[in-house]
Amino acid sequence: GESVGLHLPTLSVQEGDNSIINCAYSNSASDYFIWYKQESGKGPQFIIDIRSNMDKRQGQRVTVLLNKTVKHLSLQIAATQPGDSAVYFCAENTGGFKTIFGAGTRLFVKA
Amino acid sequence: DGGITQSPKYLFRKEGQNVTLSCEQNLNHDAMYWYRQDPGQGLRLIYYSQIVNDFQKGDIAEGYSVSREKKESFPLTVTSAQKNPTAFYLCASSSLGENTEAFFGQGTRLTVV
Repeated sequence: GESVGLHLPTLSVQEGDNSIINCAYSNSASDYFIWYKQESGKGPQFIIDIRSNMDKRQGQRVTVLLNKTVKHLSLQIAATQPGDSAVYFCAENTGGFKTIFGAGTRLFVKA
Repeated sequence: DGGITQSPKYLFRKEGQNVTLSCEQNLNHDAMYWYRQDPGQGLRLIYYSQIVNDFQKGDIAEGYSVSREKKESFPLTVTSAQKNPTAFYLCASSSLGENTEAFFGQGTRLTVV
Protein backbone atom coordinates (compact mmCIF):
# COMPACT_ATOMS: atom_id res chain seq x y z
CA GLY A 1 0.00 0.00 0.00
CA GLU A 2 0.93 3.63 -0.09
CA SER A 3 3.12 4.71 2.77
CA VAL A 4 5.84 7.11 3.63
CA GLY A 5 8.07 6.18 6.53
CA LEU A 6 11.09 7.53 8.31
CA HIS A 7 14.08 5.51 9.39
CA LEU A 8 14.81 7.40 12.61
CA PRO A 9 12.19 8.68 15.03
CA THR A 10 14.67 11.00 16.81
CA LEU A 11 17.92 12.63 15.86
CA SER A 12 20.24 14.52 18.17
CA VAL A 13 22.98 16.72 16.73
CA GLN A 14 25.47 19.23 18.03
CA GLU A 15 24.92 22.85 17.15
CA GLY A 16 26.93 23.69 14.06
CA ASP A 17 26.98 20.14 12.74
CA ASN A 18 25.09 19.03 9.66
CA SER A 19 21.87 17.04 10.08
CA ILE A 20 20.54 14.37 7.77
CA ILE A 21 16.95 13.19 8.06
CA ASN A 22 15.94 10.20 5.99
CA CYS A 23 12.65 9.06 4.55
CA ALA A 24 11.56 5.99 2.61
CA TYR A 25 8.52 5.90 0.40
CA SER A 26 6.81 2.92 -1.16
CA ASN A 27 4.70 4.36 -3.97
CA SER A 28 6.80 4.43 -7.11
CA ALA A 29 4.11 6.55 -8.78
CA SER A 30 4.77 9.45 -6.41
CA ASP A 31 6.06 12.41 -8.35
CA TYR A 32 6.27 15.21 -5.84
CA PHE A 33 7.85 15.25 -2.41
CA ILE A 34 7.79 17.86 0.31
CA TRP A 35 9.59 18.37 3.59
CA TYR A 36 7.71 20.13 6.38
CA LYS A 37 8.98 21.44 9.72
CA GLN A 38 6.66 21.41 12.72
CA GLU A 39 7.55 23.26 15.88
CA SER A 40 5.90 22.31 19.13
CA GLY A 41 2.22 23.29 19.25
CA LYS A 42 2.23 24.72 15.74
CA GLY A 43 1.19 23.65 12.29
CA PRO A 44 3.71 22.24 9.80
CA GLN A 45 5.55 24.71 7.61
CA PHE A 46 6.86 24.07 4.13
CA ILE A 47 10.65 23.79 3.93
CA ILE A 48 11.51 22.53 0.48
CA ASP A 49 10.07 20.36 -2.26
CA ILE A 50 11.38 18.28 -5.12
CA ARG A 51 9.80 16.81 -8.21
CA SER A 52 10.51 13.32 -9.41
CA ASN A 53 12.42 14.55 -12.46
CA MET A 54 15.11 15.92 -10.14
CA ASP A 55 17.53 14.21 -7.78
CA LYS A 56 18.71 17.21 -5.81
CA ARG A 57 17.40 20.59 -4.84
CA GLN A 58 18.99 23.20 -2.62
CA GLY A 59 17.51 25.92 -0.51
CA GLN A 60 18.89 28.15 2.18
CA ARG A 61 20.91 25.78 4.43
CA VAL A 62 18.75 22.85 3.32
CA THR A 63 19.20 20.29 0.57
CA VAL A 64 16.79 17.56 -0.45
CA LEU A 65 18.07 14.48 -2.22
CA LEU A 66 15.82 12.04 -4.06
CA ASN A 67 16.89 8.54 -5.03
CA LYS A 68 14.09 7.03 -7.07
CA THR A 69 15.93 3.76 -7.55
CA VAL A 70 15.67 2.88 -3.87
CA LYS A 71 12.70 5.18 -3.17
CA HIS A 72 14.58 7.24 -0.62
CA LEU A 73 14.38 10.91 0.27
CA SER A 74 16.65 12.86 2.58
CA LEU A 75 16.78 16.33 4.05
CA GLN A 76 20.16 17.79 4.85
CA ILE A 77 20.42 20.82 7.13
CA ALA A 78 23.77 22.58 7.12
CA ALA A 79 25.21 24.16 10.26
CA THR A 80 22.28 23.09 12.43
CA GLN A 81 21.04 25.76 14.81
CA PRO A 82 18.92 25.55 17.98
CA GLY A 83 16.02 27.02 16.01
CA ASP A 84 16.08 23.94 13.80
CA SER A 85 14.84 21.80 16.67
CA ALA A 86 11.45 20.51 15.54
CA VAL A 87 9.71 17.52 14.03
CA TYR A 88 10.36 17.06 10.34
CA PHE A 89 7.88 15.31 8.07
CA CYS A 90 8.39 14.08 4.58
CA ALA A 91 5.31 13.88 2.42
CA GLU A 92 4.54 12.50 -1.00
CA ASN A 93 2.01 13.35 -3.65
CA THR A 94 1.07 11.07 -6.53
CA GLY A 95 0.00 13.79 -8.91
CA GLY A 96 -3.31 14.66 -7.34
CA PHE A 97 -3.62 17.05 -4.46
CA LYS A 98 -3.86 14.43 -1.72
CA THR A 99 -0.67 14.25 0.30
CA ILE A 100 0.57 11.31 2.36
CA PHE A 101 2.63 12.17 5.43
CA GLY A 102 5.23 10.09 7.21
CA ALA A 103 5.42 9.68 10.98
CA GLY A 104 8.07 12.37 11.42
CA THR A 105 11.57 12.67 12.90
CA ARG A 106 12.22 14.79 15.96
CA LEU A 107 15.45 16.75 15.67
CA PHE A 108 17.19 17.86 18.87
CA VAL A 109 19.98 20.40 18.58
CA LYS A 110 22.42 20.42 21.48
CA ALA A 111 24.09 23.71 22.31
CA ASP B 1 -1.62 39.02 5.26
CA GLY B 2 -2.82 35.87 3.51
CA GLY B 3 -3.07 32.78 5.58
CA ILE B 4 -5.11 30.08 7.20
CA THR B 5 -6.61 30.58 10.64
CA GLN B 6 -7.86 27.99 13.06
CA SER B 7 -9.82 28.72 16.19
CA PRO B 8 -9.85 28.18 19.04
CA LYS B 9 -6.28 27.19 19.84
CA TYR B 10 -7.39 25.09 22.82
CA LEU B 11 -10.78 23.45 23.26
CA PHE B 12 -12.20 21.34 26.04
CA ARG B 13 -15.21 19.13 25.54
CA LYS B 14 -17.26 17.00 27.85
CA GLU B 15 -17.90 13.45 26.83
CA GLY B 16 -21.04 13.12 24.74
CA GLN B 17 -20.91 16.63 23.35
CA ASN B 18 -20.38 17.70 19.79
CA VAL B 19 -17.84 20.46 19.16
CA THR B 20 -16.99 22.45 16.05
CA LEU B 21 -13.51 23.59 15.07
CA SER B 22 -13.19 26.61 12.82
CA CYS B 23 -10.89 26.94 9.79
CA GLU B 24 -10.77 30.01 7.55
CA GLN B 25 -8.40 30.82 4.70
CA ASN B 26 -7.93 33.91 2.55
CA LEU B 27 -5.46 32.34 0.14
CA ASN B 28 -8.15 31.76 -2.50
CA HIS B 29 -7.40 28.03 -2.36
CA ASP B 30 -9.92 25.61 -3.73
CA ALA B 31 -8.85 22.62 -1.66
CA MET B 32 -9.09 22.37 2.11
CA TYR B 33 -8.23 19.53 4.47
CA TRP B 34 -8.55 18.40 8.05
CA TYR B 35 -5.87 16.26 9.67
CA ARG B 36 -5.63 14.67 13.07
CA GLN B 37 -2.29 14.36 14.86
CA ASP B 38 -1.74 12.23 17.93
CA PRO B 39 1.38 12.57 20.12
CA GLY B 40 4.46 11.27 18.38
CA GLN B 41 2.47 10.46 15.27
CA GLY B 42 2.14 11.74 11.75
CA LEU B 43 -0.87 13.41 10.19
CA ARG B 44 -3.94 11.41 9.32
CA LEU B 45 -6.48 12.77 6.87
CA ILE B 46 -10.03 13.16 8.19
CA TYR B 47 -11.87 14.97 5.39
CA TYR B 48 -10.99 17.05 2.37
CA SER B 49 -12.83 19.30 -0.03
CA GLN B 50 -12.02 20.35 -3.56
CA ILE B 51 -14.88 22.72 -4.13
CA VAL B 52 -17.73 24.44 -2.35
CA ASN B 53 -20.56 22.13 -1.32
CA ASP B 54 -18.47 19.03 -1.95
CA PHE B 55 -16.20 17.05 0.36
CA GLN B 56 -14.72 13.57 0.61
CA LYS B 57 -13.88 11.24 3.47
CA GLY B 58 -10.26 10.74 4.29
CA ASP B 59 -8.70 7.82 6.11
CA ILE B 60 -10.32 8.38 9.53
CA ALA B 61 -13.66 10.12 8.88
CA GLU B 62 -15.75 8.13 11.36
CA GLY B 63 -17.09 10.33 14.15
CA TYR B 64 -16.42 13.56 12.26
CA SER B 65 -18.45 15.77 9.93
CA VAL B 66 -17.63 18.79 7.79
CA SER B 67 -19.32 21.40 5.63
CA ARG B 68 -18.05 23.64 2.84
CA GLU B 69 -20.64 26.34 2.32
CA LYS B 70 -18.04 28.97 1.46
CA LYS B 71 -14.72 28.69 -0.32
CA GLU B 72 -12.95 30.32 2.61
CA SER B 73 -14.38 28.14 5.37
CA PHE B 74 -14.20 24.44 6.21
CA PRO B 75 -15.45 23.77 9.76
CA LEU B 76 -14.97 20.37 11.37
CA THR B 77 -17.45 18.93 13.87
CA VAL B 78 -16.21 16.29 16.25
CA THR B 79 -19.29 14.33 17.19
CA SER B 80 -20.03 12.21 20.22
CA ALA B 81 -19.56 9.19 17.99
CA GLN B 82 -15.81 9.83 17.90
CA LYS B 83 -14.57 7.52 20.65
CA ASN B 84 -11.14 9.03 21.16
CA PRO B 85 -11.34 12.69 20.15
CA THR B 86 -8.49 14.08 22.23
CA ALA B 87 -5.87 15.14 19.67
CA PHE B 88 -4.28 18.02 17.82
CA TYR B 89 -6.33 19.01 14.76
CA LEU B 90 -4.75 20.69 11.78
CA CYS B 91 -6.50 22.41 8.91
CA ALA B 92 -4.74 23.01 5.60
CA SER B 93 -5.46 24.43 2.19
CA SER B 94 -3.90 24.23 -1.24
CA SER B 95 -4.53 25.02 -4.83
CA LEU B 96 -5.76 22.17 -7.00
CA GLY B 97 -2.87 22.09 -9.42
CA GLU B 98 -0.51 19.16 -9.40
CA ASN B 99 2.57 19.35 -7.24
CA THR B 100 1.51 22.10 -4.90
CA GLU B 101 2.20 22.22 -1.21
CA ALA B 102 -0.38 22.56 1.52
CA PHE B 103 -0.46 25.55 3.87
CA PHE B 104 -1.35 24.74 7.45
CA GLY B 105 -3.10 26.56 10.24
CA GLN B 106 -1.67 26.65 13.75
CA GLY B 107 -3.87 23.84 14.97
CA THR B 108 -6.53 23.28 17.63
CA ARG B 109 -5.79 21.08 20.60
CA LEU B 110 -8.97 19.32 21.65
CA THR B 111 -9.20 17.68 25.06
CA VAL B 112 -12.13 15.64 26.28
CA VAL B 113 -12.72 16.06 30.01
